[in-house]
Amino acid sequence: NAGVTQTPKFQVLKTGQSMTLQCAQDMNHNSMYWYRQDPGMGLRLIYYSASEGTTDKGEVPNGYNVSRLNKREFSLRLESAAPSQTSVYFCASSVQGQETQYFGPGTRLLVL
Amino acid sequence: GIQVEQSPPDLILQEGANSTLRCNFSDSVNNLQWFHQNPWGQLINLFYIPSGTKQNGRLSATTVATERYSLLYISSSQTTDSGVYFCAVGFNRGSTLGRLYFGRGTQLTVWP
Repeated sequence: NAGVTQTPKFQVLKTGQSMTLQCAQDMNHNSMYWYRQDPGMGLRLIYYSASEGTTDKGEVPNGYNVSRLNKREFSLRLESAAPSQTSVYFCASSVQGQETQYFGPGTRLLVL
Repeated sequence: GIQVEQSPPDLILQEGANSTLRCNFSDSVNNLQWFHQNPWGQLINLFYIPSGTKQNGRLSATTVATERYSLLYISSSQTTDSGVYFCAVGFNRGSTLGRLYFGRGTQLTVWP
């Protein structure tokens, strides 16, 4: 049981490049989330998926898109990366929306 | 607006000391979680505690929802307790169901 896995662990992009962050969970959870963490800040929700087939915007969705590919996988896409998107990105999942959230190890993204 | 405030922002302890971390929030909640982020960046869920009191070993937490605060107690602290402790809250509003709002965290350093 791997829990929540994220790939890649680290990525460097140039401004304007695109990339997709991958997240998968093997706990049969319904809800999945993408957060970003900036220095000295708590985590801020980018997008979430309450259940397979649904996605909703969080606090900071601009510049991102998501896809809930199936119950296990929830990907985050940056279409045109900007330096302001330099951050650590965390994926999380929970059985339902109002229950304990379990986090992946994070992806460190640097946009030059 | 929605506010989650944690105090103190920084805490330095000698091994063996006890500590209390506080989380204040601005509205009624249906979800409150405490997380520990270790020095390697991994986020570990400590408690799911929208109300009441829970204990897990040397850690315990109490949420008084009617007064809009939660406390995390760490007893007999160890160097492995070092890291950042986050409080995250889900509010009782239709538009925010399933979302967690994080405080900025308390940076705990425990010296041997």
